[in-house]
Amino acid sequence: ETVMTQSPATLSVSPGERATLSCRASQNIRSNLAWYQQRPGQAPRLLIYSASTRATGIPARFSGSGSGTEFTLSISSLQSEDSAVYFCHQYHDWYAFGQGTKLEIK
Amino acid sequence: EVQLVQSGAEVKRPGESLKISCEASGYNFATYWIAWMRQMPGKGLEWMGVIFPDDSDVRYNPSFQGQVTISADKPTRTVYLQWHSLKASDTATYYCARSEVESLRHAFGVWGQGSLVNVSS
Repeated sequence: ETVMTQSPATLSVSPGERATLSCRASQNIRSNLAWYQQRPGQAPRLLIYSASTRATGIPARFSGSGSGTEFTLSISSLQSEDSAVYFCHQYHDWYAFGQGTKLEIK
Repeated sequence: EVQLVQSGAEVKRPGESLKISCEASGYNFATYWIAWMRQMPGKGLEWMGVIFPDDSDVRYNPSFQGQVTISADKPTRTVYLQWHSLKASDTATYYCARSEVESLRHAFGVWGQGSLVNVSS
């Protein structure tokens, strides 16, 4: 079973700044990693798949990187609407989600 | 438009049975994996199981094996999640989601709106 660990649990960043979220897999998942955004009361929305490919309609402010066991989601020029919980998700060994990072915009 | 539309909120007693649904539209239903996820109040996402509607190949997260049943009906383009005996700890929002890539287990690019299940005596 692959365990996904996200850090930090909570991140507070000012508007216009950059946020960097991390996700670690307990074993090599190659590039089989996705990132999702979940705003309160809404279903998750796919942002990134294959570790670095933006999903349809996702702004270029969102970027993903990494492979193997270490992955990063970067969000530049932060806006108030980016306030949400972000989950990573591996689909290499069936499926598993990280516990989430709550991003707060100051 | 590709859509997954889930059944509405449910309030149940412990020990009761329940079947919730996820109706797909706008794509070839049979050839995309669809999964069910649980999200307990204030918590993260847990994968419960996944089904390939074309041949009803179902795989369960070991943590949910034996606790729920996932099925699909091709004529109605609907996937189901079923409990035979609910517990209070089943209180959660349940999401169905479709694989982003046809025929492959992949990221989930399309999500249902969620079905809230409240189990209370």
